[in-house]
Amino acid sequence: KAGVTQTPRYLIKTRGQQVTLSCSPISGHRSVSWYQQTPGQGLQFLFEYFSETQRNKGNFPGRFSGRQFSNSRSEMNVSTLELGDSALYLCASSHPTGEETQYFGPGTRLLVL
Amino acid sequence: AQSVSQHNHHVILSEAASLELGCNYSYGGTVNLFWYVQYPGQHLQLLLKYFSGDPLVKGIKGFEAEFIKSKFSFNLRKPSVQWSDTAEYFCAVNVWEYGNKLVFGAGTILRVKS
Repeated sequence: KAGVTQTPRYLIKTRGQQVTLSCSPISGHRSVSWYQQTPGQGLQFLFEYFSETQRNKGNFPGRFSGRQFSNSRSEMNVSTLELGDSALYLCASSHPTGEETQYFGPGTRLLVL
Repeated sequence: AQSVSQHNHHVILSEAASLELGCNYSYGGTVNLFWYVQYPGQHLQLLLKYFSGDPLVKGIKGFEAEFIKSKFSFNLRKPSVQWSDTAEYFCAVNVWEYGNKLVFGAGTILRVKS
């Protein structure tokens, strides 16, 4: 089975711009979660989508949003970028069996200048 | 809020030495526990997981972890490390009643000297 894929892998933006990141889950997985990884804060949960609905949300400002499509693919959007948004954004997918293991993609490295 | 503590941020070992990385979490209810590894330049990979049953779980590449409920701990062990084990190791907890959300520890960077 193909793993979780994320596009683009690298992105450079300037402050004030917005960005959209994409994630394709493992085939058959219907839950997609997003995490932010930074040297200072480590790995932090952003949100989770299941069947096109946001099921859980972390403590991030409203500038961070996401959505999930009927094929389980997910996108996350960050509006009005700030320097502190520079991070590795990780997507993880899982199969809703009740004992869910999240499998991670390679991430999108975002640099905000 | 639940939290996860990893005791050491950096560990340096020689090849063939034994490894134990500590992980403690702060939640009194039912949890699912994970160890993930991030090799240099690679993405997060699952090493092992605990949901229920035997508290001693075995994972890939000779790693194992023991869940001790009374100590809220899930320590990772390997009897003999190799240079290829150089990586960053993350302990993570999922409190199922809070949904499918992983709370990660800060990570432990392991360097194995050949």
